[in-house]
Amino acid sequence: QAVVTQEPSLTVSPGGTVTLTCGSSTGVVTSGHFPYWFQQKPGQAPRTLISDTKNKQSWTPARFSGSLLGGKAALTLSGAQPEDEAEYYCLLSYSGARMVFGGGTKLTVL
Amino acid sequence: QVQLQESGPGLVKPSETLSLTCTVSGGSIITYYWSWVRQSPGKGLEWIGYIHYSGATNYNPSLESRVTISVDMSKNQFSLKVTSVTAADTAVYYCARDAACTVWGQGTMVTVSS
Repeated sequence: QAVVTQEPSLTVSPGGTVTLTCGSSTGVVTSGHFPYWFQQKPGQAPRTLISDTKNKQSWTPARFSGSLLGGKAALTLSGAQPEDEAEYYCLLSYSGARMVFGGGTKLTVL
Repeated sequence: QVQLQESGPGLVKPSETLSLTCTVSGGSIITYYWSWVRQSPGKGLEWIGYIHYSGATNYNPSLESRVTISVDMSKNQFSLKVTSVTAADTAVYYCARDAACTVWGQGTMVTVSS
């Protein structure tokens, strides 16, 4: 089974920009992996931020954007706010339509 | 706006079967895929599997031998069964809409302990 890798932790200053990445043990991440990004705050269920690489949900703040970057899926946060401090997970779809979550990135806004 | 609510026992004995139900409100279970995801305490998310309203399923290979997901269209519900549970199955279990989990339930904690 594929392994999906994310940075364990990242720190961004308030108002700053940070990029979280999502890589695959099988090679380059493409749009065919239909990358999804989720935000989870302590004690809460995850919520979807980005679907199919770059599509925002109706509730996704404009400061979040998704893309493919350097062979990985990427989530960029531009103009970080204190309320963006959370755990972020990516999800990739593989052959046979089986899904694999990344290990998550703990984002600190400090 | 569709909402999902998990329900089931919060405590299951080792070697027994864990059974959870997800009730879908504010929308029909028809036409979508429906997923289960779990999160062990302090750990990341683990995809368990999903079902189409037609009954077609897809499971995590690491759990496939112990997991069954089913759907009851008459009740607008879908369910999860995990057999032969151990302490490693202790987790918050989430149900979600779509194979990629676009809408989530609030989750329910299940502890495996004697």
